[in-house]
Amino acid sequence: KNEVEQSPQNLTAQEGEFITINCSYSVGISALHWLQQHPGGGIVSLFMLSSGKKKHGRLIATINIQEKHSSLHITASHPRDSAVYICAAHRYSGGGADGLTFGKGTHLIIQP
Amino acid sequence: NAGVTQTPKFRILKIGQSMTLQCTQDMNHNYMYWYRQDPGMGLKLIYYSVGAGITDKGEVPNGYNVSRSTTEDFPLRLELAAPSQTSVYFCASSYTPVEQYFGPGTRLTVT
Repeated sequence: KNEVEQSPQNLTAQEGEFITINCSYSVGISALHWLQQHPGGGIVSLFMLSSGKKKHGRLIATINIQEKHSSLHITASHPRDSAVYICAAHRYSGGGADGLTFGKGTHLIIQP
Repeated sequence: NAGVTQTPKFRILKIGQSMTLQCTQDMNHNYMYWYRQDPGMGLKLIYYSVGAGITDKGEVPNGYNVSRSTTEDFPLRLELAAPSQTSVYFCASSYTPVEQYFGPGTRLTVT
């Protein structure tokens, strides 16, 4: 079992829908990172969080440390949100520079 | 700031050839990383560095070498390329180990 699991692997939705992508992790972490990878490959950081909730525009990230779970929500989704969303957990125990573990990503397609 | 830059963007190598993937950052970050991304898999750490002159192996270091002679540069060397090294390679840098900034990637094909 991977230390970081994302669901769903693939998601196709219509423009305007509310999107939720989930991330579960099995190790103690000090922080969790949500990344966005567009077609063409570049990876951009969206959020880094260690507790609670963060919001940036139409994107919201939440984390529940006790349940070892994080969610990324997109409100009023738009075709330009189509990308791969990656969750990465920084392990708390022994989590030095090599402590970031990545999920496999969720491939999101928003259809007009 | 240019951030993290990588060259080349694309490369095709023949089996047994060697090459160096270049990575440069202008943010004065001490931490730098090399990852590979294979289809359907999460990013895997190849090597990392916590400062000039200090490097260490990640999860998948076999077939690769690195050096860190300056804060800005962290080249990744492939010796004797193999088809299993066909992948997309990302360099990243950070001030702390968690919030990493990624380069645009190098798509490498070994045939």
